[in-house]
Amino acid sequence: NAGVTQTPKFQVLKTGQSMTLQCAQDMNHEYMSWYRQDPGMGLRLIHYSVGAGITDQGEVPNGYNVSRSTTEDFPLRLLSAAPSQTSVYFCASSYISSASWTGELFFGEGSRLTVL
Amino acid sequence: AQSVTQLGSHVSVSEGALVLLRCNYSSSVPPYLFWYVQYPNQGLQLLLKYTSAATLVKGINGFEAEFKKSETSFHLTKPSAHMSDAAEYFCAVTRMDSSYKLIFGSGTRLLVRP
Repeated sequence: NAGVTQTPKFQVLKTGQSMTLQCAQDMNHEYMSWYRQDPGMGLRLIHYSVGAGITDQGEVPNGYNVSRSTTEDFPLRLLSAAPSQTSVYFCASSYISSASWTGELFFGEGSRLTVL
Repeated sequence: AQSVTQLGSHVSVSEGALVLLRCNYSSSVPPYLFWYVQYPNQGLQLLLKYTSAATLVKGINGFEAEFKKSETSFHLTKPSAHMSDAAEYFCAVTRMDSSYKLIFGSGTRLLVRP
C-alpha cells in the first residue's frame, strides 16, 4: 500500500509565488490534515477535513487554502509565499469511526519548502 | 487551553541504557494520549496510544508509557536503548472539546551513543 503520498518532496519558491502541495491517500480515510513542522515547535495544524466538501481551520491557517473534492486528495495551496512559510509540511490521514475520532494519524513523508 | 510539554529537547543515552522521555499534559485529562516517532527524513509514525483501558501501554520496538493522572504525565520508557532508537519523539493529545485536532509537544530528539 502506498499509504499517504506527498508531492513534491522539495520545493524552493520566491516570495510572492504561489504553489500547491499535493497529498493523496489510498486508505479510504475520512479525515485528512496538514501540519507544518518547525524546529522546537513540534507540529502545528494548518487545516483539516472530515470528508469530501468539508474543511476547517487549525491553529495556523493564515496564508494557506485547502479544498477536499474527493476522499483521496487534500491539496494545500500557498497563495503568496512568504519566508515565514519556510517549513516542512506533513499531510496526515485517519479513520473516523461512528463513535469518535481516535486521533491515530498516518503521515506522509513530508514536503520541505524553502521561501526565499 | 490544552497543552503538552516535553521536558528536554535532546536526550542522550548510551546503547543498552534506560530511555526515559518525559511528557506532561495540562490538567484536564484528554481522551487520548499518544507517542509518535520520527526517524530522519521520514514522516511520523505511531509508537503507542493511551485510551483509558490500561494505565501502562505497550508500543512497538519495546517502548512503553505509563499514564499517571496524579502527575498529569505520560512518560515514555524503554529498558535498553538500541542504536536504531535514535529519532525524534513527539507526545500528543486529543482535545477535550472532541474537535478533530491533535495537540503535539515540541519533540525530544533521542541520541544513542555506542
